Amino acid sequence: GDSVTQMEGPVTLSEEAFLTINCTYTATGYPSLFWYVQYPGEGLQLLLKATKADDKGSNKGFEATYRKETTSFHLEKGSVQVSDSAVYFCALSEQQGAQKLVFGQGTRLTINP
Amino acid sequence: GAGVSQSPSNKVTEKGKDVELRCDPISGHTALYWYRQSLGQGLEFLIYFQGNSAPDKSGLPSDRFSAERTGGSVSTLTIQRTQQEDSAVYLCASSPRQGLYEQYFGPGTRLTVT
Repeated sequence: GDSVTQMEGPVTLSEEAFLTINCTYTATGYPSLFWYVQYPGEGLQLLLKATKADDKGSNKGFEATYRKETTSFHLEKGSVQVSDSAVYFCALSEQQGAQKLVFGQGTRLTINP
Repeated sequence: GAGVSQSPSNKVTEKGKDVELRCDPISGHTALYWYRQSLGQGLEFLIYFQGNSAPDKSGLPSDRFSAERTGGSVSTLTIQRTQQEDSAVYLCASSPRQGLYEQYFGPGTRLTVT
């Protein structure tokens, strides 16, 4: 079945550091790819998405590019802030059927001032 | 506007009891999903509704789990004869309809089985 593997955490960085969280996937079809974020005490919310190869999703300074050749969707941000501290989930959904989300295990990110 | 709401926010129950978890999706959203977030298994899909029917129940872990949706709106997830391994946060999400639409998540119900 479909699966998502993401970088194990936790990850701790200093403010203004460069962030990369790796994500790779396995899918039988041609999935859409997502990054969801869960801030402390809040629900899951969509951060960004990409629906076809070479698409770049971006939001709040975060970016991820759909790489079909390497089956990857790595999350990057050039300069992190304390407010970026959260748990980040990479996910995919097939573009047919129920379009249920298949999640990676999550990466806890802590940014120190 | 109002987001997805879930109740109760926390539920503590004794092993062997039945529990009902409720989800109120965003008004007008026809697609509804239940997921479970647990330490051992991460975030996993349970069941998908389109309107009142459930074309994908493939994630329900056992026949102790069931769900229904009425009026194309509220959904209830029922767990019978709860076990300790059922302890998790149960998340509900809704989407405008089937398609490449964002799923909007509720705050979850934290279930603890003692």
